[in-house]
Amino acid sequence: EVQLVESGGGLVQPGRSLKLSCAASGFTFSNYYMAWVRQAPKKGLEWVATISTSGSRTYYPDSVKGRFTISRDNAKSSLYLQMNSLKSEDTATYYCASFNYGGSARYFDYWGQGVMVTVSS
Amino acid sequence: EIVLTQSPTTMAASPGEKVTLTCRASSSVSYMHWYQQRSGTSPKLWIYETSKLASGVPNRFSGSGSGTSYSLTINSMETEDAATYYCQQGSSYPLTFGSGTKLEIK
Repeated sequence: EVQLVESGGGLVQPGRSLKLSCAASGFTFSNYYMAWVRQAPKKGLEWVATISTSGSRTYYPDSVKGRFTISRDNAKSSLYLQMNSLKSEDTATYYCASFNYGGSARYFDYWGQGVMVTVSS
Repeated sequence: EIVLTQSPTTMAASPGEKVTLTCRASSSVSYMHWYQQRSGTSPKLWIYETSKLASGVPNRFSGSGSGTSYSLTINSMETEDAATYYCQQGSSYPLTFGSGTKLEIK
């Protein structure tokens, strides 16, 4: 059974940093692209970052580019999201997800339970 | 950026009723993917590559469409189908989601 378990969330002040982790199990982690998706309170879904199997390629929307860094450790079956210069608009539940990277059919297969990040003074 | 517009925003359906949710893209996309999110839970992949049902999805669900217009249909609404449904395109970056359709049971 695929399991994705996020951790590392919490309350952080604007301008500070936070690092999220995601522990994966139940599948061959190193064979899959991975991603982060977030959801602000009572709002819709927003893609945050994607990383290739080796970690050599990463993708971000403009809203987080230059502030967030996605990384992975295949030996530990773990995914990370380093978030710097946090803003109040980054307040959201952050989901770790496996990512199907098949040409133009890119989608999120499996999702974790999510971890809450609150940016407030 | 490809903007996805879902309609309706909210709707209610009676058990047994046929339901159609729509997702329109601002530019042509190759596929549309759909997610179901029940209240208080994480999203689940529901339909991928426009018309393929994810594992465990009942066959009363179907997906169709092409170009800029896509839909998700429930043949006969059941109480467990009450949820918010999001469409998502992966044809170009940035990957984008629609704002969701909240489907309630009448």
